[in-house]
Amino acid sequence: GAVVSQHPSRVICKSGTSVKIECRSLDFQATTMFWYRQFPKQSLMLMATSNEGSKATYEQGVEKDKFLINHASLTLSTLTVTSAHPEDSSFYICSARVQGNSPLHFGNGTRLTVT
Amino acid sequence: QQPVQSPQAVILREGEDAVINCSSSKALYSVHWYRQKHGEAPVFLMILLKGGEQKGHEKISASFNEKKQQSSLYLTASQLSYSGTYFCGTSRDNAGNMLTFGGGTRLMVKP
Repeated sequence: GAVVSQHPSRVICKSGTSVKIECRSLDFQATTMFWYRQFPKQSLMLMATSNEGSKATYEQGVEKDKFLINHASLTLSTLTVTSAHPEDSSFYICSARVQGNSPLHFGNGTRLTVT
Repeated sequence: QQPVQSPQAVILREGEDAVINCSSSKALYSVHWYRQKHGEAPVFLMILLKGGEQKGHEKISASFNEKKQQSSLYLTASQLSYSGTYFCGTSRDNAGNMLTFGGGTRLMVKP
């Protein structure tokens, strides 16, 4: 149980375009979803915390208008990278949990390449 | 603020033990431990809550010292499957929000 599906797994886009990444909890309802960015051989950097039905809480230094997060239902959160630039190229990974202090269940990540 | 993990990397022979430490300069409410293999999603190992508890699962256990704001992960009689990068995650409130991860510890177990 506790499967999180993240789509797409890989995406290549041109500079200036927008990309949407979906994160779905398949067999449980996730009150909270987290979005992370991971650089090669580095840690998971928290970008934002997303609670169903409310605005996401962004970490310091993360541009809200660039990384749009929507958590419309208890099973779906989306991250939209707007006006993507090459420096946005990275591995984005989402996680979901049922409630506070319960385990995080991670998606398999999305490799974004902006050309 | 990101917790600090040590060591950054460790190489073991199968059957040897290892300890991975995670410390924070701020008060901790809970500590999570995850293992990530190359190209895969992190996998949950355990959560420790405020109260100084120690949890274990087979040959992997962990402790949480809230006074020292530290947690340690103990790997005993390591197996090849233990190889991967271990991350500790700490939350800044008692609801487990704003979970931030340490820099990771790369563990390689050799035959």
